[in-house]
Amino acid sequence: DVKVTQSSRYLVKRTGEKVFLECVQDMDHENMFWYRQDPGLGLRLIYFSYDVKMKEKGDIPEGYSVSREKKERFSLILESASTNQTSMYLCASSQGRSEKLFFGSGTQLSVL
Amino acid sequence: GENVEQHPSTLSVQEGDSAVIKCTYSDSASNYFPWYKQELGKGPQLIIDIRSNVGEKKDQRIAVTLNKTAKHFSLHITETQPEDSAVYFCAASNSGGSYIPTFGRGTSLIVHP
Repeated sequence: DVKVTQSSRYLVKRTGEKVFLECVQDMDHENMFWYRQDPGLGLRLIYFSYDVKMKEKGDIPEGYSVSREKKERFSLILESASTNQTSMYLCASSQGRSEKLFFGSGTQLSVL
Repeated sequence: GENVEQHPSTLSVQEGDSAVIKCTYSDSASNYFPWYKQELGKGPQLIIDIRSNVGEKKDQRIAVTLNKTAKHFSLHITETQPEDSAVYFCAASNSGGSYIPTFGRGTSLIVHP
């Protein structure tokens, strides 16, 4: 089975801190994604990557950046965390042009 | 871009009843429609999908129907059980385009024993 692992289940950070959310997948998938999940708003795409060192903006990239130095790892970076970035963050991966996404269990980030 | 509307946002049923969740999409080029189930504390997981060349697909107690003309598709769960309680997301994508799915806002299904 594909496994997508997010490094932290819960994170509490202070306003202005630099925050790193890490995601690793073990199935050699080309594509990786970061989504944000908020009640009533569903899943919104922040950034995605088709290949190493490649990144594309999703629907809500403001305030975020990403890094993909290795194929299996995709990091989401909050340069200066703000309270409106308190949310559940979900990482996902997929193979080639397959539309099927495999999700991690999520990281619940609280910014105080 | 694609816009996916999902209703209802919350659905409460008694065990054994049927549950129906409906979605509409805006882009006629969309041709792949998956449904994801998210249990508490977990990430979403694909449970069933349908492509635009098929009108209906079943897998045991779950089925999905697609009406391309009206641009809507639905998830049907029969004989609901408490373990069906979860958040369900519909999505739409174009396999000939970016193939990244656009998700609906989710439906919280509660099945009462």
